[in-house]
Amino acid sequence: NAGVMQNPRHLVRRRGQEARLRCSPMKGHSHVYWYRQLPEEGLKFMVYLQKENIIDESGMPKERFSAEFPKEGPSILRIQQVVRGDSAAYFCASSPAVGTDYEQYFGPGTRLTVT
Amino acid sequence: DAKTTQPTSMDCAEGRAANLPCNHSTISGNEYVYWYRQIHSQGPQYIIHGLKNNETNEMASLIITEDRKSSTLILPHATLRDTAVYYCIVRVVGTYKYIFGTGTRLKVLA
Repeated sequence: NAGVMQNPRHLVRRRGQEARLRCSPMKGHSHVYWYRQLPEEGLKFMVYLQKENIIDESGMPKERFSAEFPKEGPSILRIQQVVRGDSAAYFCASSPAVGTDYEQYFGPGTRLTVT
Repeated sequence: DAKTTQPTSMDCAEGRAANLPCNHSTISGNEYVYWYRQIHSQGPQYIIHGLKNNETNEMASLIITEDRKSSTLILPHATLRDTAVYYCIVRVVGTYKYIFGTGTRLKVLA
């Protein structure tokens, strides 16, 4: 049973370019979460999605960031016109449902470097 | 969500038990305590969680005080591969948002 997959693992972008980060949840999981981790800090919640729906995007910056989880295919976190401050590790997690005992399983992360 | 307080760092000798404390003095009755660890910037790995009772699985034990204001994660026989940052997280039952603190950096020494 494959775990949460993320690609690319490392991404380098120049300022002003677009970054697309992909996340395939574990088999049977329909809930996806994105977190961001700046150096030497804990993870910060960004967005929670179910298939074709954004449930909570309270942690997303108001501009340049968007996320989707289409009916088919992986979840995508998109950052437009990247700036140096976007350099971070972005982790995706998934769970089979939301409830009392459903822990989230994390992927290996995508490390974004903006030059 | 309740705030958690953990020591910044701890050392433990290989083969000995590692006891990692966590304070969550403002925890509510419907909040679970979760523990995750992050090894060398990999994705966080789930360890264990509990509500009121002590819990044990193949990785660790979780001891929650009777008033639920603090807990301790116990790794019974620490190995070098347990060197990681350990996060204690409190999450409301039925919700989904984890709020990570800065965790405890555990170093297991040979």
